[in-house]
Amino acid sequence: SQELEQSPQSLIVQEGKNLTINCTSSKTLYGLYWYKQKYGEGLIFLMMLQKGGEEKSHEKITAKLDEKKQQSSLHITASQPSHAGIYLCGADRSMGQNFVFGPGTRLSVLP
Amino acid sequence: DAGVIQSPRHEVTEMGQEVTLRCKPISGHNSLFWYRQTMMRGLELLIYFNNNVPIDDSGMPEDRFSAKMPNASFSTLKIQPSEPRDSAVYFCASSLGAASYEQYFGPGTRLTVT
Repeated sequence: SQELEQSPQSLIVQEGKNLTINCTSSKTLYGLYWYKQKYGEGLIFLMMLQKGGEEKSHEKITAKLDEKKQQSSLHITASQPSHAGIYLCGADRSMGQNFVFGPGTRLSVLP
Repeated sequence: DAGVIQSPRHEVTEMGQEVTLRCKPISGHNSLFWYRQTMMRGLELLIYFNNNVPIDDSGMPEDRFSAKMPNASFSTLKIQPSEPRDSAVYFCASSLGAASYEQYFGPGTRLTVT
């Protein structure tokens, strides 16, 4: 069974629209990570969040971790076709141990 | 830097055969991870090494799977004997430090067992 849940499972948006992907755990996390995967390729690291309430941004992508460290969101502003891919959240419940990934959210951006 | 290198990129084998997947981590990284990705189960951590020592192998499915890291620049994942349900994409990743932090993934090996 998945220890991390992601929603939505898939998402299709028009270029220029904003979108949010969510990642939820039933247990408090030590660290929460966001990765992106393009079809047929390995994962690319986006961001890591460790502190409750933490928020990080890189270009048009912002990730937040809630105060209880059980929920994270990934927000993309003004989406572009280059944002298309599968977004996976990953987490460990103690430093370097029990590392798991969510099932992924497949994002398509229509030009 | 060439990034994480995996070989072969594709492997097709018959049930019962031995399969060996290879990984060269990024130079200077001291943690190495083997993952398996399938549509049904998503991305699963199989085993994790730190400084060439296996730290967590709880994800290794069964005795048919074994992994080694004889030195800091090379690791293998072996399946013997292989079964059709082992068909998946196998990823190797490496990172600095003992924790999982920012992992750099290889391109993966697509394994098909017929």
